[in-house]
Order: sequence, then C-alpha cells, then structure tokens
Amino acid sequence: QKEVEQNSGPLSVPEGAIASLNCTYSDRVSQSFFWYRQYSGKSPELIMSIYSNGDKEDGRFTAQLNKASQYVSLLIRDSQPSDSATYLCAVNVNSGGYQKVTFGIGTKLQVIP
Amino acid sequence: KAGVTQTPRYLIKTRGQQVTLSCSPISGHRSVSWYQQTPGQGLQFLFEYFSETQRNKGNFPGRFSGRQFSNSRSEMNVSTLELGDSALYLCASSNSGAPQETQYFGPGTRLLVL
Repeated sequence: QKEVEQNSGPLSVPEGAIASLNCTYSDRVSQSFFWYRQYSGKSPELIMSIYSNGDKEDGRFTAQLNKASQYVSLLIRDSQPSDSATYLCAVNVNSGGYQKVTFGIGTKLQVIP
Repeated sequence: KAGVTQTPRYLIKTRGQQVTLSCSPISGHRSVSWYQQTPGQGLQFLFEYFSETQRNKGNFPGRFSGRQFSNSRSEMNVSTLELGDSALYLCASSNSGAPQETQYFGPGTRLLVL
C-alpha cells in the first residue's frame, strides 16, 4: 500500500462546477496535511494546509480532513480554467521530531470552459 | 524576500558521469529538503538538511548524496548517473523543518541523462 494515494486522473469538470480531489494516507500518526498545485513545467505551490479534523476554507478552496478514515480532500468551488493543474496531496510525518514529507502521485484537473 | 533558487535549471549528462545541483533557500530558512519528480513515481523525498546535518533520508541509493553549508545553501550530488536518474529535481526550504511548517519550492533542475 502506498503511503499517500491519489487518483491520477484526469478529472474533468465544467467551468463553474465543484471539483473534488481526494487523498488517502496509510500512517495513522500523520500530523500535517497539505495540498499543493503544480502547473505544467512549474514547481509546486501551497494552496492549503490542514492539521485538525473538519473543514478549512480559504476563498474558493475547502480542505477536509478525517483522521479516523485517514482521508483528506480538497474542494474547489466555481472552478475556473486557470485551476487546471495537477494537485498534489502531501502528508507530513513526524520523523524524530522533524518533517518527512510524502507526496501522492497527484491528480490532474482539467476545467473545461 | 527572494524565493528559493536552484542552479542550473537544465542539465544534460551521459551515463556514468556525476552531477552537482545547488539550492539557495529563502533567507532565514534553515531546513532544505530535496525531491526527485518523475512522471511515473511522482515527487519522492531524497533527504533533508538542517544546520549542515542530514536529518532525514528517503529510499535512494548511496549514489545520491548531499550537503549543506553554514549559510544554509545546499548541494546534492549524483554519481555514476543512470538513465533512470532523468528527472526534475526540486529543493524546498522551510524555517526549521518542523512537521507543521510549509515548504517553499524552488523552480527545479531538469536533468536529462543520455
């Protein structure tokens, strides 16, 4: 079992719809969870971080965390063509007090105008 | 603040050669992590440095090594290059490397091994 699993996609949604991106992780002691966006040919940039169970909203983005189910998701409301990118789920495990980050393969999102 | 910088941006090498990549973190950041990104494997953790010490290491062969200098700049070296080492190499910096900290990525070095 992979440490962080994502569906590689592509996930296609029409402009204005809600895009739902999902991620599961295997290590129950994981503490910090991140969603990064990576445009083609560019480096990852942070969209959201979440540390506690529940929802965290930032503009059109909502991250959801369920530690019991070892599941984290990212919702993008009112999807725009500019949201088309690969979304990477990252899980940060406390390794001797310091971070060791494991990334999922990434889900490619395509927003159709 | 200037972002994370990496040099060179592109490299072409042949099998058996060695390569050194450089990363300058955001000013004040002391933790530098290195990742390899390939289409099939995604982003994979190589190692993390803090105060010139390697604190964490991923599952890569010993051909991959790194170091960090007193000014927090970091280098990674790959010896005896193989075709499979062709990838985008990313470094990321954070303040102290604590688990809850955000990492900021550099633009990457794209390595092609022929």
